Amino acid sequence: GDSVTQTEGQVTVSESKSLIINCTYSATSIAYPNLFWYVRYPGEGLQLLLKVITAGQKGSSRGFEATYNKETTSFHLQKASVQESDSAVYYCALRPNTGGADRLTFGKGTQLIIQP
Amino acid sequence: EAAVTQSPRNKVTVTGGNVTLSCRQTNSHNYMYWYRQDTGHGLRLIHYSYGAGNLQIGDVPDGYKATRTTQEDFFLLLELASPSQTSLYFCASSELGGSAETLYFGSGTRLTVL
Repeated sequence: GDSVTQTEGQVTVSESKSLIINCTYSATSIAYPNLFWYVRYPGEGLQLLLKVITAGQKGSSRGFEATYNKETTSFHLQKASVQESDSAVYYCALRPNTGGADRLTFGKGTQLIIQP
Repeated sequence: EAAVTQSPRNKVTVTGGNVTLSCRQTNSHNYMYWYRQDTGHGLRLIHYSYGAGNLQIGDVPDGYKATRTTQEDFFLLLELASPSQTSLYFCASSELGGSAETLYFGSGTRLTVL
């Protein structure tokens, strides 16, 4: 079946430094799935951060960006300069673009800790 | 802004207990979902529904029932709770269930089964 791998359970970054959270995927059901990043701030539910539905394209939101790389099957999340308010758990997810929302597959999540 | 409200926020029960988790959405969305989140796992889909009276089985349904009483309300039922069901539960909604749609999540219910 489809799978999403986030290798780091936790990432610690100093404020104003750059960030990369790794995400790779395996989509056995379809070659080019839709890809998403969701974020969960403390005490809140998950909310969509960004999505990309076309291979090779880049999505961006709130200073974060991720590029859909079909060659390396990756969708890494990056930010040039993090702030304390970015502390949250980040989830990478995929969904086949021929399937419904019931086929959404999530990674385990990466907790981002910002050091002042 | 889409709104999904879960209750209770926290729940403690004993093995064999009966638990109902509630979810209400005021988005006029057709689809609603129940997920569980455990350490070391991504969110896993338990049940979902595309309208009042409808129920679809997700990926980890064993030990759970669900009921969609209205377009707004979706309940998750644990009739004989077990410690393996200790988890963080999320409810979500989406408008049409399309593959590129955004899911809107509640804040979660943390369930502990002793």
